[in-house]
Amino acid sequence: GAVVSQHPSWVICKSGTSVKIECRSLDFQATTMFWYRQFPKQSLMLMATSNEGSKATYEQGVEKDKFLINHASLTLSTLTVTSAHPEDSSFYICSARGGSNYGYTFGSGTRLTVV
Amino acid sequence: GENVEQHPSTLSVQEGDSAVIKCTYSDSASNYFPWYKQELGKGPQLIIDIRSNVGEKKDQRIAVTLNKTAKHFSLHITETQPEDSAVYFCAARAPGGATNKLIFGTGTLLAVQP
Repeated sequence: GAVVSQHPSWVICKSGTSVKIECRSLDFQATTMFWYRQFPKQSLMLMATSNEGSKATYEQGVEKDKFLINHASLTLSTLTVTSAHPEDSSFYICSARGGSNYGYTFGSGTRLTVV
Repeated sequence: GENVEQHPSTLSVQEGDSAVIKCTYSDSASNYFPWYKQELGKGPQLIIDIRSNVGEKKDQRIAVTLNKTAKHFSLHITETQPEDSAVYFCAARAPGGATNKLIFGTGTLLAVQP
């Protein structure tokens, strides 16, 4: 079945630094990738959607200059949290989709803690 | 845009009993409804899904029903086991555009008591 690999699984960074999270589709070409943020005991909130080779589409209220998304290939998307602050601490999850016949496969998530 | 409501927020059942989680959606154009199971610290895992041209789908102990007229769909788990304990999310997808994004419900914490 479809597999999405997300790394790192957890990261701790200092306030003001940047952190990059990678999401790879291992056995299919992901034409569309989605990035979610999940706070404790809450649902998944969509941050942005990216199609390979195009600029990401951000949801209302998500700062595009803070959360940089790159989807340069059909198997890799990255989310960079720039100038991280403690309030950015959260669980970030990617999802990939590879066409109309494919469902949405989720990565294992990245726990970001900003200290 | 699409809005998905999910009930109950928590559900506690005895092992062997059935569990039912219900969701409603707002966009009548939505055509795909997956259910995900999320364990603590992990990403969501698809457990079953249903498309709008089908009214019911079953996979062993898990079933999903869809009522397009009422715009609601439900997850049914029979013969629950302790390992079924997790947070369950429903989602809906509205067609159109280049993104086909999923909108998630608020989640249900299912606890199966041994």
